[in-house]
Amino acid sequence: DAKTTQPNSMESNEEEPVHLPCNHSTISGTDYIHWYRQLPSQGPEYVIHGLTSNVNNRMASLAIAEDRKSSTLILHRATLRDAAVYYCITTESTGTASKLTFGTGTRLQVTL
Amino acid sequence: NAGVMQNPRHLVRRRGQEARLRCSPMKGHSHVYWYRQLPEEGLKFMVYLQKENIIDESGMPKERFSAEFPKEGPSILRIQQVVRGDSAAYFCASSVLQFGQMNTEAFFGQGTRLTVV
Repeated sequence: DAKTTQPNSMESNEEEPVHLPCNHSTISGTDYIHWYRQLPSQGPEYVIHGLTSNVNNRMASLAIAEDRKSSTLILHRATLRDAAVYYCITTESTGTASKLTFGTGTRLQVTL
Repeated sequence: NAGVMQNPRHLVRRRGQEARLRCSPMKGHSHVYWYRQLPEEGLKFMVYLQKENIIDESGMPKERFSAEFPKEGPSILRIQQVVRGDSAAYFCASSVLQFGQMNTEAFFGQGTRLTVV
């Protein structure tokens, strides 16, 4: 699995957009980019994933750089409930045994 | 469709006892993954199982730890002769396909918090 690099922490005001960056400079052409988040005292929760094109769902948007060496998770309007650790993960898509390898993630703090 | 169910949510064991952690994947999911999270740390992969088979156990300690996913019933993570360093949150995840395949997302349980006293 490709290694990812994220800032340790970020802060945001409530109801403002948040852009969480992730670098994955060693990503291969077939690796997917996944984002999960972990709220306090809970299990990780799927947020979004993509391969090459930008993706949108009800939770967030994923912007993937043209060279795929970086991506940005966008929360359009942060709420207090979005305070969590956000993990950027890449996986292989070869169909062989694969797993999600979590890094240290970005701890997002949301304030009023 | 119930989510991934883990039990117990909290487990206290004395040093030297055995701990059994159970994970019932979501209906229709045949891929199960176990992770361990030490206090204030990230999640570390332990083992990946499909029904009746261990696919990848590269993250499992060589001794005292074992996992199974029988044809019928939940997946079990077993820790024999627990030590204080085993105190952690253990999370189980399930998916309908392997993680590397398109449109696969993992569903995690709420975890079992093991405390060894």
